[in-house]
Amino acid sequence: GQQLNQSPQSMFIQEGEDVSMNCTSSSIFNTWLWYKQDPGEGPVLLIALYKAGELTSNGRLTAQFGITRKDSFLNISASIPSDVGIYFCAGPLFGNEKLTFGTGTRLTIIP
Amino acid sequence: DAGITQSPRHKVTETGTPVTLRCHQTENHRYMYWYRQDPGHGLRLIHYSYGVKDTDKGEVSDGYSVSRSKTEDFLLTLESATSSQTSVYFCAAGTNYGYTFGSGTRLTVV
Repeated sequence: GQQLNQSPQSMFIQEGEDVSMNCTSSSIFNTWLWYKQDPGEGPVLLIALYKAGELTSNGRLTAQFGITRKDSFLNISASIPSDVGIYFCAGPLFGNEKLTFGTGTRLTIIP
Repeated sequence: DAGITQSPRHKVTETGTPVTLRCHQTENHRYMYWYRQDPGHGLRLIHYSYGVKDTDKGEVSDGYSVSRSKTEDFLLTLESATSSQTSVYFCAAGTNYGYTFGSGTRLTVV
């Protein structure tokens, strides 16, 4: 069954606002990945985290690997229209090659 | 990048018919995966492959089979399509450092 819980499920924000979302698990992960899916396309990798406590940025995106190794956070600063989409967290359960995905956070920007 | 190609992009089929979805990669990855995406469920793993002719089940494998005769091709077959298999199907390739996904196949079973 689903091992990763993402929140919030959806967000409605205005352009220019900052966004925060998180992902939690009852199991320990050694890697946390954040993907973004544009409408009609497959998910694209945004940020990868490999070490507890790690903070990594990719432009306006910043992600953190939680100290407990059971959570991760993604922040988007100064949102723009192209940030619209679904954001997924993912990680390899039991350290194998298979990734487990969260249920996603849908980001909508209100004009 | 265009490393993962899925075909067809859209398909409508009737209940009870067999359907095969195709995935082709140009990245020479050993591992390939088939996921389905449904509202409220995120991405769920159907089957995966860890090499030519080496495949294993994921969490939602009932009603699906796969084959991998070449490194670059991974086929997903619905033996007898049912309405519950209406979904968007994604192929991916890579390791747990990060997969590359195809653009998806939207399958409707009527």
